[in-house]
Amino acid sequence: AQSVTQLGSHVSVSEGALVLLRCNYSSSVPPYLFWYVQYPNQGLQLLLKYTSAATLVKGINGFEAEFKKSETSFHLTKPSAHMSDAAEYFCAVSDGKLTFGQGTILTVHP
Amino acid sequence: NAGVTQTPKFQVLKTGQSMTLQCAQDMNHEYMSWYRQDPGMGLRLIHYSVGAGITDQGEVPNGYNVSRSTTEDFPLRLLSAAPSQTSVYFCASSYQGQAITGELFFGEGSRLTVL
Repeated sequence: AQSVTQLGSHVSVSEGALVLLRCNYSSSVPPYLFWYVQYPNQGLQLLLKYTSAATLVKGINGFEAEFKKSETSFHLTKPSAHMSDAAEYFCAVSDGKLTFGQGTILTVHP
Repeated sequence: NAGVTQTPKFQVLKTGQSMTLQCAQDMNHEYMSWYRQDPGMGLRLIHYSVGAGITDQGEVPNGYNVSRSTTEDFPLRLLSAAPSQTSVYFCASSYQGQAITGELFFGEGSRLTVL
């Protein structure tokens, strides 16, 4: 069975600092991997997706994620945090059904 | 383009009451699904449908019923509400191929409190 583990339920950074949100997955088949973002009182939006075309995936709002098969990881990064990045981020894996991680709340301090 | 519309946005129920959460999409998506979101647990799949007349159970289906009489609508019914069903509920849809890869379009959520 597939699963996703997000390391750290809360991450706090200063505006302009590097954002790193960690995700490790478990899947018996080559997976589709995703990062979704949820802004306060809103539904989830797709941030980026990995579908085996390239290991470094670029998403919206300057975010990117790197698929590392040897580490079974799909960490999300952004070089410089902005106040508007404050949200909850979910890593997800799909092998036909979508399974979400527990979520990481990102706080950005001025 | 309205996308995925959920109603109501907020609801308070007493234990044992029944209610229906409505979900409608105007994108002609074959796949529709319901998730519940609880703190620290991410989103968990309740029920899903791959087309009109076809539904199936997800990870946490107990206490919930669904039906899919049209492509556009996918209501979620709570037959006898329990405090454990206090949660935020999300409806999501996609084209069939996107459902397999996991690219879903989400509604804004329905926050349910059961007293």
